[in-house]
Amino acid sequence: GAVVSQHPSWVICKSGTSVKIECRSLDFQATTMFWYRQFPKQSLMLMATSNEGSKATYEQGVEKDKFLINHASLTLSTLTVTSAHPEDSSFYICSARDLTGRGGDEQFFGPGTRLTVL
Amino acid sequence: RKEVEQDPGPFNVPEGATVAFNCTYSNSASQSFFWYRQDCRKEPKLLMSVYSSGNEDGRFTAQLNRASQYISLLIRDSKLSDSATYLCVVNTLYDMRFGAGTRLTVKP
Repeated sequence: GAVVSQHPSWVICKSGTSVKIECRSLDFQATTMFWYRQFPKQSLMLMATSNEGSKATYEQGVEKDKFLINHASLTLSTLTVTSAHPEDSSFYICSARDLTGRGGDEQFFGPGTRLTVL
Repeated sequence: RKEVEQDPGPFNVPEGATVAFNCTYSNSASQSFFWYRQDCRKEPKLLMSVYSSGNEDGRFTAQLNRASQYISLLIRDSKLSDSATYLCVVNTLYDMRFGAGTRLTVKP
């Protein structure tokens, strides 16, 4: 299957700092990328849908000014957690969807980024 | 009502057992359906797509019932390595939704 990478895989930061997470589709063009958050022992929660060249669509309850999403190219989307606080500590996973090529509308997931805010 | 609902679980079964999960969806415009498997602290990985005609991959069988708007996953001859959380995913053309996941533990 197609490959999606995330960077960093693990980050620890102080409260109040901003953290940027990158999601890259390595061998296909991702017209749509999704950002999820998963707290321990809970389900994946969709945060936002990111379409290349347009503004992200945020799910209800997700603050767009706190979780900045940029999908500037067909292979890269970034999520920036601004002014992070301990309650933002979570597992952040991106996925990419290629409606124009192989895989149909299957989602390909990145390996996730574990964020710990002290 | 949630858009995608799964059996709450957890399912604790002995090795060799057959176990079935169901997932219902509310959007009749849903177009494609998948089962994903997620191991602890890892990202979800595609287990299998679900087709209208049903499909089988080894010990795993997935079925779709569009009229009743549910999909199912059957695991036969459970292995210890099948222990994971199983997530159903329902896609429309522009949207996708995950179920909350069903935790399966296969015990010796």
